[in-house]
Amino acid sequence: EVQLVESGGGLVQPGRSLKLSCVASGFTFSNYGMNWIRQAPGKGLEWVAYISSGSSYIYYAETVKGRFTISRDNAKNTLYLQMTSLRSEDTALYYCARPVQPGYFDYWGQGVMVTVSS
Amino acid sequence: EIVLTQSPTTMAASPGEKVTLTCRASSSVSYMHWYQQRSGTSPKLWIYETSKLASGVPNRFSGSGSGTSYSLTINSMETEDAATYYCQQGSSYPPTFGGGTKLELK
Repeated sequence: EVQLVESGGGLVQPGRSLKLSCVASGFTFSNYGMNWIRQAPGKGLEWVAYISSGSSYIYYAETVKGRFTISRDNAKNTLYLQMTSLRSEDTALYYCARPVQPGYFDYWGQGVMVTVSS
Repeated sequence: EIVLTQSPTTMAASPGEKVTLTCRASSSVSYMHWYQQRSGTSPKLWIYETSKLASGVPNRFSGSGSGTSYSLTINSMETEDAATYYCQQGSSYPPTFGGGTKLELK
């Protein structure tokens, strides 16, 4: 059974940093690219970042480019999102999600909440 | 970036009623994908590649469309179908989602 379990969320002040993790199981993690997708409270879904299976290709949404860094450790079956210079508009539930060609997401984690507030 | 516009934003349907949700793209896309999100849970892949039902999705659901216009149809509304449905395109980077249609039970 495919499982994606996020952790690392919490309450953080504007301008500070936070690092999210997503541990994968039930599939060969190193064979898949991975994504972070977020959902602000009461709002819709917003794609945040993508990393290819071997970390060669990385893409970011314009809203987080230069502030967030996606990475992975295939030996630990873990995906990361390092978030810096956090803003109130980054407040959201962050999901890791597995992508499948042609461009959809077949498995999602349960999400981890990040609240940016003073 | 391709913008996806879903309509209606909110609707209510009675059990047994036929329901159609629409998603329009600002530019042509090859496929549309749909997710169901019940309150307090993660989105679930519901329909992929425009018309293929994800595992476990009842066959009262169907998807259709091409180019810039896509739809999700429920042949006969059931209680468990009350949820928010999001369309998503992955044909062009960045992947984008529609704003969602909240489907309620009447």
